[in-house]
Amino acid sequence: GAVVSQHPSWVICKSGTSVKIECRSLDFQATTMFWYRQFPKQSLMLMATSNEGSKATYEQGVEKDKFLINHASLTLSTLTVTSAHPEDSSFYICSAPRSRLAGGFGTGELFFGEGSRLTVL
Amino acid sequence: RKEVEQDPGPFNVPEGATVAFNCTYSNSASQSFFWYRQDCRKEPKLLMSVYSSGNEDGRFTAQLNRASQYISLLIRDSKLSDSATYLCVVNLVKTSYDKVIFGPGTSLSVIP
Repeated sequence: GAVVSQHPSWVICKSGTSVKIECRSLDFQATTMFWYRQFPKQSLMLMATSNEGSKATYEQGVEKDKFLINHASLTLSTLTVTSAHPEDSSFYICSAPRSRLAGGFGTGELFFGEGSRLTVL
Repeated sequence: RKEVEQDPGPFNVPEGATVAFNCTYSNSASQSFFWYRQDCRKEPKLLMSVYSSGNEDGRFTAQLNRASQYISLLIRDSKLSDSATYLCVVNLVKTSYDKVIFGPGTSLSVIP
């Protein structure tokens, strides 16, 4: 079953409106989550790292006032696209790392949400 | 030069064929390596990690050449269900995931 849940899967909105996307870790705590954006036929690009209880870390070129990230609990991070425009139309995916082995030994695995396809008219 | 490069594809192969994907990375300090699979309009899912000694998981074999900064994925006896985009993924820091770099992906279509 899903390890990371993302909602909504699809959203269509008018230009100028704001859209909120939720990312939840299921049955594990995620102090860190990652938000990616993927344009058609292109690779995933990291937008920002969401940190529980503190400010998100944004990648170069990503406007933090436009892409608001809130990580208020250990299982929930939200991405709000403010004043969305057609060029913001994309596939947004969140991910959270989880250790594969007990005690944190060994590298974990990145689990991805199902993704949210945003279309701004 | 892009940080992670892959065969552009697409690869169209018949069922039962063997297909190999290549990937190169530019940062010699890269620590860990993975192959992810992404189905159309879906999220990526881990296919397998890639270890220095090479590793195999059923029909899938992954190899790493650190000297050449090259990673490969071999799929034997291709199935229709193998049709997807395969992403080469490199992590610069083993214990952290904010330096994970995704390759552009190589598309595979397995034809009946």
